[in-house]
Amino acid sequence: QVQLQESGPGLVKPSETLSLTCAVSGYSISSGYYWAWIRQPPGKGLEWIGNVYHGGSTYYNPSLKSRVTISVDTSKNQFSLKLSSVTAADTAVYYCARRPTTDDYFDYWGRGTLVTVSS
Amino acid sequence: QSALTQPASVSGSPGQSITVSCTGTSSDVGGYKYVSWYQHHPGKAPKLMIYDVTKRPSGVSNRFSGSKSGNTASLTISGLQAEDEADYYCCSYAGSSTYVFGTGTMVTVL
Repeated sequence: QVQLQESGPGLVKPSETLSLTCAVSGYSISSGYYWAWIRQPPGKGLEWIGNVYHGGSTYYNPSLKSRVTISVDTSKNQFSLKLSSVTAADTAVYYCARRPTTDDYFDYWGRGTLVTVSS
Repeated sequence: QSALTQPASVSGSPGQSITVSCTGTSSDVGGYKYVSWYQHHPGKAPKLMIYDVTKRPSGVSNRFSGSKSGNTASLTISGLQAEDEADYYCCSYAGSSTYVFGTGTMVTVL
């Protein structure tokens, strides 16, 4: 059974960089698939942040592209999100998910982790 | 990219059928056959319920079905059950390897 688990600081100061990691179990990242980050601000809907392929190619939401970096570490079977210059608007529950290589949906998700941006 | 528009809430009695709509544009919902739906119980991982507009993953009840007409996709839940009470989100491919989600709908079983 594929499982994804997000981890990282729950509190980040404004203007700093948010860093999260998604540990994958039950499947080897290097075997394929795209790996995604998605977030949900309080009281709002989901927002796709971006995808990374096991080979390292990335695709980002145009509205976040200038601040986002998603990378993969196949040796640790995990992938990461970095979001720079955060503001209160970046406060959200952040989810990691898996996307089949040749399909356009997300078949496995983590439970999410709340990140609050506040001084 | 603008979020797809969903009704904030939909309710129904046990056994009834309800439909959740998801309205986008010709650049997302209307332009591709790649709409998916997710069920989300707060505190849990979202669950894929429908993909490619009408397809159900293995293990998902056949009470859930999807359709699309023009720029609007729909999720229908028939034979509504208490366990169906959750938030539902649609998602569409939006071109150039990007995706857009809906605003979310709270389904309440009366």
